Amino acid sequence: QKEVEQDPGPLSVPEGAIVSLNCTYSNSAFQYFMWYRQYSRKGPELLMYTYSSGNKEDGRFTAQVDKSSKYISLFIRDSQPSDSATYLCASVIQGAQKLVFGQGTRLTINP
Amino acid sequence: SAVISQKPSRDICQRGTSLTIQCQVDSQVTMMFWYRQQPGQSLTLIATANQGSEATYESGFVIDKFPISRPNLTFSTLTVSNMSPEDSSIYLCSVKLAGHQETQYFGPGTRLLVL
Repeated sequence: QKEVEQDPGPLSVPEGAIVSLNCTYSNSAFQYFMWYRQYSRKGPELLMYTYSSGNKEDGRFTAQVDKSSKYISLFIRDSQPSDSATYLCASVIQGAQKLVFGQGTRLTINP
Repeated sequence: SAVISQKPSRDICQRGTSLTIQCQVDSQVTMMFWYRQQPGQSLTLIATANQGSEATYESGFVIDKFPISRPNLTFSTLTVSNMSPEDSSIYLCSVKLAGHQETQYFGPGTRLLVL
């Protein structure tokens, strides 16, 4: 079993839709959670970073963590074609160096 | 965040040869790392690049295959040695910045194809 599981998709939605991207993790020691966006032929770009359970909002993006069920989500409101990318969730144990990534979900927003 | 550059951005190499990838950061960082992203796969940590000492390698990665240098705070190199087609991948460096201790910022990556 992978430590971080993520549905690889692909996921295709119409412009303006609300997108929900999800990951589950198995290691209870994970304390920090990140979402990265990776455009084709580019490096991953940090989108959101959360520590505690609950929601964190940044513009059209909301990151949600539920530590009791080991479930992390990223919501994108009013999705735009420019949001088309691969989204990677990642987790890390406090003080550790190794980010553990999910497989990534490939998202396409159709105009 | 920081501006992270990698050279080369891409390369095509013959099996049995070696390639050295450079990573340069425009600001001082606390830690530097090297990751591999194989086709259709997620990112896997190869090693932590330590300034002035030997890198710390993850399970499954060895110094003879992936020698790493970090001569100063803002520069590191990763060499992929004696390459085989299985080494075809994207190689990414990442950094931790002071005050952002749990997050990492990634460079643009080096796309390597081994024939």
